[in-house]
Amino acid sequence: GNSVTQMEGPVTLSEEAFLTINCTYTATGYPSLFWYVQYPGEGLQLLLKATKADDKGSNKGFEATYRKETTSFHLEKGSVQVSDSAVYFCALSDSNYQLIWGAGTKLIIKP
Amino acid sequence: GAVVSQHPSWVICKSGTSVKIECRSLDFQATTMFWYRQFPKQSLMLMATSNEGSKATYEQGVEKDKFLINHASLTLSTLTVTSAHPEDSSFYICSARVVAGQETQYFGPGTRLLVL
Repeated sequence: GNSVTQMEGPVTLSEEAFLTINCTYTATGYPSLFWYVQYPGEGLQLLLKATKADDKGSNKGFEATYRKETTSFHLEKGSVQVSDSAVYFCALSDSNYQLIWGAGTKLIIKP
Repeated sequence: GAVVSQHPSWVICKSGTSVKIECRSLDFQATTMFWYRQFPKQSLMLMATSNEGSKATYEQGVEKDKFLINHASLTLSTLTVTSAHPEDSSFYICSARVVAGQETQYFGPGTRLLVL
């Protein structure tokens, strides 16, 4: 069946560091891929998405590229800020448009 | 962007009572709403899919008689936890899909339920 695996957290970085949160998936067909973010005390928000191979999603300085050959959708940001501290979820949308979730990765940015 | 609200945001109840959680799409009509449950330090677990005017589709292992879902209109879905017990304490999140065939879901802020 479809599944999403993302790196375990917490990930702790200093401000202005480079961020990578790994996400790999298994799926039949051609799913769409998403990154959602949950800031402390808030609900989930869509961060970015990609709907086909080689697409790059980007938002708020974050990027992720849909890599079909490696079945990956790693989240990257060149210079993180304290305000980026949150839990990040990788997800895929299957043929029924249901979201299959990764376990989430907590990101802690220290000033 | 599309906004989804949930009410209440926090609820504490006694064991054996029922609790109703509302999920509203504020500025759009949602043909489909989803209910999730989030356990501490774990990912979201889909509980059920709710389509306006029809019965909800529950995921395997979710008791439909315990978690009653009503999608009465295109802007409102409710989740009622009946005869709540401490193990039902959790964070419940709803999401809404704007139009059929569109994949993006918009999430409510969540409702934290504590059953004493």
